[in-house]
Amino acid sequence: DAGVIQSPRHEVTEMGQEVTLRCKPISGHDYLFWYRQTMMRGLELLIYFNNNVPIDDSGMPEDRFSAKMPNASFSTLKIQPSEPRDSAVYFCASSSGVPVGNIQYFGAGTRLSVL
Amino acid sequence: KQEVTQIPAALSVPEGENLVLNCSFTDSAIYNLQWFRQDPGKGLTSLLLIQSSQREQTSGRLNASLDKSSGRSTLYIAASQPGDSATYLCAVMDSNYQLIWGAGTKLIIKP
Repeated sequence: DAGVIQSPRHEVTEMGQEVTLRCKPISGHDYLFWYRQTMMRGLELLIYFNNNVPIDDSGMPEDRFSAKMPNASFSTLKIQPSEPRDSAVYFCASSSGVPVGNIQYFGAGTRLSVL
Repeated sequence: KQEVTQIPAALSVPEGENLVLNCSFTDSAIYNLQWFRQDPGKGLTSLLLIQSSQREQTSGRLNASLDKSSGRSTLYIAASQPGDSATYLCAVMDSNYQLIWGAGTKLIIKP
């Protein structure tokens, strides 16, 4: 398997624009996680899905953020409208089985810069 | 609220040395503790996962220990190599099945 695939790798946009980040989890994995990494706050969990259903979105910072998982092989994280403070690296991860005993596999991340 | 601290923030050692990275957490109610490696511009790679009932895990030159009662974990790297240079992150899984992350230790191994 090619691992978790994220696109784009880099995104530069202007404040107020809509941004969509994409993730393809490892085939067969039933959990998908979206994280954000910044220098100030480190790594933070935004939301996670189990079998395409959002389980915990308490980490989503504002209503400007939304995430979907229309099928087992694709998820999106959308920011609308984007703001400079959204600049960060966004990671997607997937795992098989319950989180307690199973490691998460991370994608290479999307580096987002909002000007 | 669970907090994870990693000390030191950065470490530079000569090649061949053994070294220890430290991780501490404030709430002992965890399901597991995990160590990850992050290379610049890349994602995170899981190194070791220690369940709450375990005391240690080993993989090659890496050994991770867990003392849940004192809220501490160490990652021991034996015979360090330049390829070990990376940022090492510790994370604990809390009662909500969420990973709470430390800020990481940036490790540089000098040839």
